[in-house]
Amino acid sequence: DAGVTQSPTHLIKTRGQHVTLRCSPISGHKSVSWYQQVLGQGPQFIFQYYEKEERGRGNFPDRFSARQFPNYSSELNVNALLLGDSALYLCASSSGPGQGAYEQYFGPGTRLTVT
Amino acid sequence: ILNVEQSPQSLHVQEGDSTNFTCSFPSSNFYALHWYRWETAKSPEALFVMTLNGDEKKKGRISATLNTKEGYSYLYIKGSQPEDSATYLCAFKGSQGNLIFGKGTKLSVKP
Repeated sequence: DAGVTQSPTHLIKTRGQHVTLRCSPISGHKSVSWYQQVLGQGPQFIFQYYEKEERGRGNFPDRFSARQFPNYSSELNVNALLLGDSALYLCASSSGPGQGAYEQYFGPGTRLTVT
Repeated sequence: ILNVEQSPQSLHVQEGDSTNFTCSFPSSNFYALHWYRWETAKSPEALFVMTLNGDEKKKGRISATLNTKEGYSYLYIKGSQPEDSATYLCAFKGSQGNLIFGKGTKLSVKP
């Protein structure tokens, strides 16, 4: 079985542009979470979706939005990009909702560079 | 603000050495504690999910313990190998079900 997949693997954008990152969870998993990881820090929680509903949101500005589709894949959108949005964006899938001891399995990430 | 602290920040050991790292987390509103192993250019690999005070889990040469009352977890690696070189992350599960990560411990094992 394929693990969590993310696309694209790398992306370069300029300030002010918008970007869409995509994630496909492990087959059968209904929950997708997004994390941002900047160098020297641990991943920071952005969003969690379960059964196509937003279940959690981290401390990120409204320029960040996400959605989950009927096939449980997900998109993360970032508008009006800033230099500080340059980071590795990780997607994680889980078989159950966030609460509970469900394991979260991570994809390889999308490396976003904003110039 | 919930903080997860990991120590040491980095560690250099010789092949065959045993080693351990610490993860400190809030002792209130505990749901679960996760450990991940993250090699450069790869996905973080799930090692353990721990939920009960006193839990001990083992996978090969790697084991972990959990103390929810005092808010810490230890990860042990017995007989380190060069392939164990990676960053080890712990994450505390918050009330939204989100993972709150520490900054990680970077382990380098010299042959």
